[in-house]
Amino acid sequence: NAGVTQTPKFRVLKTGQSMTLLCAQDMNHEYMYWYRQDPGMGLRLIHYSVGEGTTAKGEVPDGYNVSRLKKQNFLLGLESAAPSQTSVYFCASSYGVYNEQFFGPGTRLTVL
Amino acid sequence: ILNVEQSPQSLHVQEGDSTNFTCSFPSSNFYALHWYRWETAKSPEALFVMTLNGDEKKKGRISATLNTKEGYSYLYIKGSQPEDSATYLCASWDTGNQFYFGTGTSLTVIP
Repeated sequence: NAGVTQTPKFRVLKTGQSMTLLCAQDMNHEYMYWYRQDPGMGLRLIHYSVGEGTTAKGEVPDGYNVSRLKKQNFLLGLESAAPSQTSVYFCASSYGVYNEQFFGPGTRLTVL
Repeated sequence: ILNVEQSPQSLHVQEGDSTNFTCSFPSSNFYALHWYRWETAKSPEALFVMTLNGDEKKKGRISATLNTKEGYSYLYIKGSQPEDSATYLCASWDTGNQFYFGTGTSLTVIP
């Protein structure tokens, strides 16, 4: 039982480059989430999904796109990376809003 | 925007002391309140999810209460141990289907 995994663990991009972060969970959770964590800002929700094929905007969605083509996977895309997107990105999953979220190990992204 | 606020920002206590932190949130539009424990270099781990006014939850030496009418939750740690050192986060779902974390309370337990 791997729980929630994230790929890659680290990445350095140049401004304007694109990339996709992959989150996978093996707990059959309906809900999946992408957060960013910045010093002094805490965790902020970027996008989330309440089931396969659905996505919804969180607190800070601008500059990111997401897709949930399979229930176990949630992808976060950056189409044109900016230095302001330098952050640590966490994925999480849960059965629903009344249930605890399980977090992945995080991806540290640096945009130069 | 739901403003979830936590206090204090940081706390240093002696081993064996009991302590508590506060999480406040707007009482209107409340849906559910989560508490997480986040150790350095690890990922957040869930402690409690609370939804009903007056809810009390307990896990070992850690407990939490919820007051949805006045918009606050308390987290208590009884007999703090060095392994309790971590950042404690609360987060709230609102009825607009948004989930907001507070910035956390950093606890250091001094042996």
